[in-house]
Amino acid sequence: AQSVSQHNHHVILSEAASLELGCNYSYGGTVNLFWYVQYPGQHLQLLLKYFSGDPLVKGIKGFEAEFIKSKFSFNLRKPSVQWSDTAEYFCAVNVPGTYKYIFGTGTRLKVLA
Amino acid sequence: NAGVTQTPKFQVLKTGQSMTLQCAQDMNHEYMSWYRQDPGMGLRLIHYSVGAGITDQGEVPNGYNVSRSTTEDFPLRLLSAAPSQTSVYFCASSYAGWDKNNSPLHFGNGTRLTVT
Repeated sequence: AQSVSQHNHHVILSEAASLELGCNYSYGGTVNLFWYVQYPGQHLQLLLKYFSGDPLVKGIKGFEAEFIKSKFSFNLRKPSVQWSDTAEYFCAVNVPGTYKYIFGTGTRLKVLA
Repeated sequence: NAGVTQTPKFQVLKTGQSMTLQCAQDMNHEYMSWYRQDPGMGLRLIHYSVGAGITDQGEVPNGYNVSRSTTEDFPLRLLSAAPSQTSVYFCASSYAGWDKNNSPLHFGNGTRLTVT
């Protein structure tokens, strides 16, 4: 069965620090990859997605992610975080044709002003 | 264009009571799904549907029923609530089929359910 691992459960950073959140998945075939963000008290919103092509994907609010097929990874990065980035971040995988999305357990990011 | 609308936002039930969580979307999405979100466990798929009249089970279907009589609506029924069903429930929808630009999920605002 497919699974998604997010190894960092809680991350605390100061403003302007760089961010990298890890995401690894287990599936040997083609996948679609997503990062979602959930701000406090809100629903999940799409940050960025990868389906094919350039493995470096840019999303909203200065976030980017790199798909490394050989490592089954899709890590999320941001060069300089802001207080408003405080949220929970979820990595998700979808195998084309299955209609099922598998989510990681999430990473809670707290940015200190 | 309201997106995905969930009602109610909050609900408290007693053990054994039944209720229905409502979900509606106005984007003509074929695919609709229900997730529950629990601390440290991320989102787990309860049930999903790829079109009217078609439903299937996800990871954690026990204790929940769904139906899909229209494209727009996908209600989730708790038949006999248990404390283990205390959670935040999210409905999500997308286009189905890979000729529809590999659409990501659109989420509703969630329903926070407490079962005492």
